[in-house]
Amino acid sequence: DGGITQSPKYLFRKEGQNVTLSCEQNLNHDAMYWYRQDPGQGLRLIYYSQIVNDFQKGDIAEGYSVSREKKESFPLTVTSAQKNPTAFYLCASRNGGRQGEFNQPQHFGDGTRLSIL
Amino acid sequence: QKEVEQDPGPLSVPEGAIVSLNCTYSNSAFQYFMWYRQYSRKGPELLMYTYSSGNKEDGRFTAQVDKSSKYISLFIRDSQPSDSATYLCAMRRGYGGSQGNLIFGKGTKLSVKP
Repeated sequence: DGGITQSPKYLFRKEGQNVTLSCEQNLNHDAMYWYRQDPGQGLRLIYYSQIVNDFQKGDIAEGYSVSREKKESFPLTVTSAQKNPTAFYLCASRNGGRQGEFNQPQHFGDGTRLSIL
Repeated sequence: QKEVEQDPGPLSVPEGAIVSLNCTYSNSAFQYFMWYRQYSRKGPELLMYTYSSGNKEDGRFTAQVDKSSKYISLFIRDSQPSDSATYLCAMRRGYGGSQGNLIFGKGTKLSVKP
């Protein structure tokens, strides 16, 4: 089935540790996104990528890093610099990058819940 | 003033009721409007996607956009317990660069009682 796969579903981080969240899509979408969801806060954009080997900071990029080496993969690293990492992390993708069909909505994976030990 | 305002609820209705969910926004540049449904511990699922002012219907769901009032609504007819979820409105200005990024409301938690 086509879709967006996030793994793991649950993740625990120790103090001072970096952790990486995986996001893979087989929809052949150009654009991919990472959001953070906190209770009562809605979704906030961390990073986005419209094309392979290119990405931009979103509204809350501090303490996070990403890479986009392959079209289907957009991993997010939560670094030790992120002082409040406990949240639900959502990855999304959309058809159309810099050039192409832009009038497409975003589709989401089922998220990774990150907690601090 | 936040760009997108959405009443977080919770909203509780009896089965079969008509549900009205709403968002207001302040940026007149928003052109594309979406409603997502999110079940607990799952990712948001796209329900409705509209561009122009007016109504769009899909089964029991109707999305309404009033750009002059900067107001969007989602109506659910004959609500079912399976509709119990958090409903998120989202919108964007365009599609190139940061204009393609979505701005979300905080979500309204709906509970439909049997």
